[in-house]
Amino acid sequence: QVQLQESGPGLVKPSQTVSLTCTVSGDSISSGNYHWSWIRQPAGKGLEWIGRIFTSGSTDYNPSLKSRVTMSVDTSRNQFSLKLSSVAAADTAVYHCARELRQGKYYFDYWGQGTLVTVSS
Amino acid sequence: DIQMTQSPSSLSASVGDRVTITCRAGLAISTYLNWYQQKPGTAPNLLIYAASSLQSGVPSRFSGSGSGTDFTLTISSLQPEDFATYYCQQAYSTPPTFGQGTKVEIK
Repeated sequence: QVQLQESGPGLVKPSQTVSLTCTVSGDSISSGNYHWSWIRQPAGKGLEWIGRIFTSGSTDYNPSLKSRVTMSVDTSRNQFSLKLSSVAAADTAVYHCARELRQGKYYFDYWGQGTLVTVSS
Repeated sequence: DIQMTQSPSSLSASVGDRVTITCRAGLAISTYLNWYQQKPGTAPNLLIYAASSLQSGVPSRFSGSGSGTDFTLTISSLQPEDFATYYCQQAYSTPPTFGQGTKVEIK
């Protein structure tokens, strides 16, 4: 069974950089069959896609966040990571990582439970 | 970005009811449309992909239809475990975008 688990600091001060990691089990990031995405959800609101990374390290970012987002992959640990810089209160949300199929079919089939990031001084 | 608009934003229904949720895309997206179910405190769960294909393990009371700009998710007979929020998502172009959600509540 594929499982994804997010980890991160929980509380971040405004203007700082938040770093989150997603650990994947039950599948190998380096298999090359999937892309790996970050999606966030402010409390009581909808879903916003942040970006995706492939095993090669190639990335796509949401234009609305592109200037502040960096994603990376560590195939040796079967993990991928998100860094979001210059955070503000509007970045407070639950951050999910997800596996994305992009070969003939296109969908997010496995998600992590999410980690809450609160931006507050 | 392609805007996705769901209706209604919320609905009240009884167990056994037939429920239909609609999703409209801001431009034609063929059948690159997925549906997810989300319960409080949990991650979204894929129900339908490519507009009408049922994800493995999802009950057959869920079905999807549509192409182009207009799509529907139908629950043929609402069960207690179906009370949740439902999201559509377009996979036609990057960035993938989601509808604002439809909350299905107990009547």
